[in-house]
Amino acid sequence: AQSVTQPDIHITVSEGASLELRCNYSYGATPYLFWYVQSPGQGLQLLLKYFSGDTLVQGIKGFEAEFKRSQSSFNLRKPSVHWSDAAEYFCAVAPDSSYKLIFGSGTRLLVRP
Amino acid sequence: DTAVSQTPKYLVTQMGNDKSIKCEQNLGHDTMYWYKQDSKKFLKIMFSYNNKELIINETVPNRFSPKSPDKAHLNLHINSLELGDSAVYFCASSHPRSSYNEQFFGPGTRLTVL
Repeated sequence: AQSVTQPDIHITVSEGASLELRCNYSYGATPYLFWYVQSPGQGLQLLLKYFSGDTLVQGIKGFEAEFKRSQSSFNLRKPSVHWSDAAEYFCAVAPDSSYKLIFGSGTRLLVRP
Repeated sequence: DTAVSQTPKYLVTQMGNDKSIKCEQNLGHDTMYWYKQDSKKFLKIMFSYNNKELIINETVPNRFSPKSPDKAHLNLHINSLELGDSAVYFCASSHPRSSYNEQFFGPGTRLTVL
């Protein structure tokens, strides 16, 4: 069965520091991969997506993610975190024959001033 | 200009009651979804409709009944509410043929069952 693992329940970084959130998936083929962000009390906003091609994808708000097939990973990065980035981040997989998204358990990002 | 909207935003009710949550999208998408986010923030799909036809039903109790009057609307009706139904419910939509199932989410409805 397909699954998505986000091994870090929460991460704390200082404002201005770099960030990497980890995501691993379990799926036979290359799925479609997504990162969503959920600010407190808000819905989910798509940060970026990977379907095929260049394995380094750029998203909104200065985020990027790199797909590594050999590691079944799709880690999210940002070179310099802003206080407004504090939120819950979800990695998700869409198996190509399915209409549904399978979400990881989320990583809560806290930003120290 | 809201793409995916849900009403109400908050819903507080007693156990045993019946309630509905409404969802509308103005993106012209063919497919709509309901997800449940529990108290630990875990998100799980409940239902999906494509062109008003049910295509995903993820072992949800039959007290939950989705209804899609047209492609732009997917409502969720819940009978005999239980304490465990307390959660945030998200509606989403997508146009799979052109966007590899990129889904757009509504703001969520926080349901509290007392």
